[in-house]
Amino acid sequence: AQTVTQSQPEMSVQEAETVTLSCTYDTSENNYYLFWYKQPPSRQMILVIRQEAYKQQNATENRFSVNFQKADKSFSLKISDSQLGDTAMYFCAFMKPGGGGATNKLIFGTGTLLAVQP
Amino acid sequence: GAVVSQHPSWVICKSGTSVKIECRSLDFQATTMFWYRQFPKQSLMLMATSNEGSKATYEQGVEKDKFLINHASLTLSTLTVTSAHPEDSSFYICSAYSGISYEQYFGPGTRLTVT
Repeated sequence: AQTVTQSQPEMSVQEAETVTLSCTYDTSENNYYLFWYKQPPSRQMILVIRQEAYKQQNATENRFSVNFQKADKSFSLKISDSQLGDTAMYFCAFMKPGGGGATNKLIFGTGTLLAVQP
Repeated sequence: GAVVSQHPSWVICKSGTSVKIECRSLDFQATTMFWYRQFPKQSLMLMATSNEGSKATYEQGVEKDKFLINHASLTLSTLTVTSAHPEDSSFYICSAYSGISYEQYFGPGTRLTVT
């Protein structure tokens, strides 16, 4: 069974600084997807970034980028130029794509609560 | 982007009654919908997976007779909490999956309080 581990329950960063959130996972699959989701105080889940395991190039979305190390099974999220609006819980998630049914499930880590300080 | 709605956003019910939560994909057809439960400051716990027109698949430990899921159409899934008790109080989130981009789109969640 796949597992996702986020070892940092809470982190804090100063506004405009850079912060990296860690995520490791365990799987025997070769084809899968990894995601970072943000959950602000409103509790709406927002997709931050997505990485396909078969792509070697690290995904980037504006100030958000990942360091995907497939051999090490790690998938960290870097937030550059942190903003107050980045304050949220961040969840790392794994998905094994499939043909429907019980597949395509997201397996979430326990989350990292990020506080951006002014 | 794809939008998923949930109704109601907040519901208070008395112990022993049933409450229904709706999840709708507003601008796309969802082949699969997922229901999650989230306790404060914790991660999302998958309760069940539903596919349109078929029975839901429940995760281990989730009582299927207590949490009834119906996926009536490609845009609507409902979760009914039957004979609710205070321990069922939680935040319930649905997500919808179109199968196109391998992305799940989340609803805003429903806060259930059982008194």
